[in-house]
Amino acid sequence: QKEVEQDPGPLSVPEGAIVSLNCTYSNSAFQYFMWYRQYSRKGPELLMYTYSSGNKEDGRFTAQVDKSSKYISLFIRDSQPSDSATYLCAMSGGMIKAAGNKLTFGGGTRVLVKP
Amino acid sequence: DADVTQTPRNRITKTGKRIMLECSQTKGHDRMYWYRQDPGLGLRLIYYSFDVKDINKGEISDGYSVSRQAQAKFSLSLESAIPNQTALYFCATQLSGDQETQYFGPGTRLLVL
Repeated sequence: QKEVEQDPGPLSVPEGAIVSLNCTYSNSAFQYFMWYRQYSRKGPELLMYTYSSGNKEDGRFTAQVDKSSKYISLFIRDSQPSDSATYLCAMSGGMIKAAGNKLTFGGGTRVLVKP
Repeated sequence: DADVTQTPRNRITKTGKRIMLECSQTKGHDRMYWYRQDPGLGLRLIYYSFDVKDINKGEISDGYSVSRQAQAKFSLSLESAIPNQTALYFCATQLSGDQETQYFGPGTRLLVL
């Protein structure tokens, strides 16, 4: 079983819809939770991060972390065609040298927003 | 991100050949990473380096080696390439103390025949 599970999609939605993405994980040591966005033929770029449990909002994007359920979510409101990309969740246990601040990634969910 | 560059961007090689992928950064970051990406598997860490003299194996280091020639340069070598090393390879940088953000290069697409 993978340490971080993410539905690969593709997830196709009409423009203006809410996109809902999620990841589940098994390692209770994870403290930092991130969402990266990756456009085709590009490297991933950090979209949002959350420390421990709770919600965080940034414009049209909302990230939620439920550590008790080992479940994280990303919501995109008023989705645009420019949001079409692969979204990867990533997690780490924190600034521990032995872990190398290693990020553990989900497999990514491909999202397509249709005009 | 132009601050992190990777060369070559695409490479086709044959089984058994030695190849080197190079990464350079102008961000002044001390930490550098090499990942590979395979469909459905996300990114997996190959090697990471906290500074020029500190190099560590990641979760899938077998068949790979690295060299940190300078703070700004981190190279990945495949000593004897095999077909299951066909993948997309990414270099990333991070500033120590910045918990969240790793900055990724544009990737190298490698095909081993």
